[in-house]
Amino acid sequence: RKEVEQDPGPFNVPEGATVAFNCTYSNSASQSFFWYRQDCRKEPKLLMSVYSSGNEDGRFTAQLNRASQYISLLIRDSKLSDSATYLCVVNVDSNYQLIWGAGTKLIIKP
Amino acid sequence: DVKVTQSSRYLVKRTGEKVFLECVQDMDHENMFWYRQDPGLGLRLIYFSYDVKMKEKGDIPEGYSVSREKKERFSLILESASTNQTSMYLCASGGNEQFFGPGTRLTVL
Repeated sequence: RKEVEQDPGPFNVPEGATVAFNCTYSNSASQSFFWYRQDCRKEPKLLMSVYSSGNEDGRFTAQLNRASQYISLLIRDSKLSDSATYLCVVNVDSNYQLIWGAGTKLIIKP
Repeated sequence: DVKVTQSSRYLVKRTGEKVFLECVQDMDHENMFWYRQDPGLGLRLIYFSYDVKMKEKGDIPEGYSVSREKKERFSLILESASTNQTSMYLCASGGNEQFFGPGTRLTVL
């Protein structure tokens, strides 16, 4: 079983719609959680951290469910520029060895 | 603008060749990382370094070595390249927020 699992997609979503995807992690000792975004043929970039209380940044909302060991990302009013692969990332300890999911591909259609 | 640079965007080598991938960051970060990224597998950590001359093995260190002689520079070495090392190699620096270079797509023939 992979340590961090994501639905690879692609999720094909019309512009303006709301889309959500989840990521599950296997290690209950995981401490920190993140969503990174990776555009096609580009490097990953931090999108947002995921806190126990949730985190909202504009149209993006991230939630953490420790009991069920998953994190989620919700994108409202999706834009064409949101098309990318979204990487779920978990940190188990404090030495910054991040564990990466394989990513969920999102395609926003006009 | 913060920057992580990698020595090559594309590289083609032959089996058995020694390959050097270089990474430089200008953010004065202590931690630097080398990953490889393959379709369907996500980023896998090869080696990381938390200080000059310090290195730690990641999840897949076999067939690789690293060098960190200066804080800003972290090199990945493939001692004898093999076809299964064909991949995208990404260097990063930072902590939980990691800043990545543009990647080197290495093909080993």
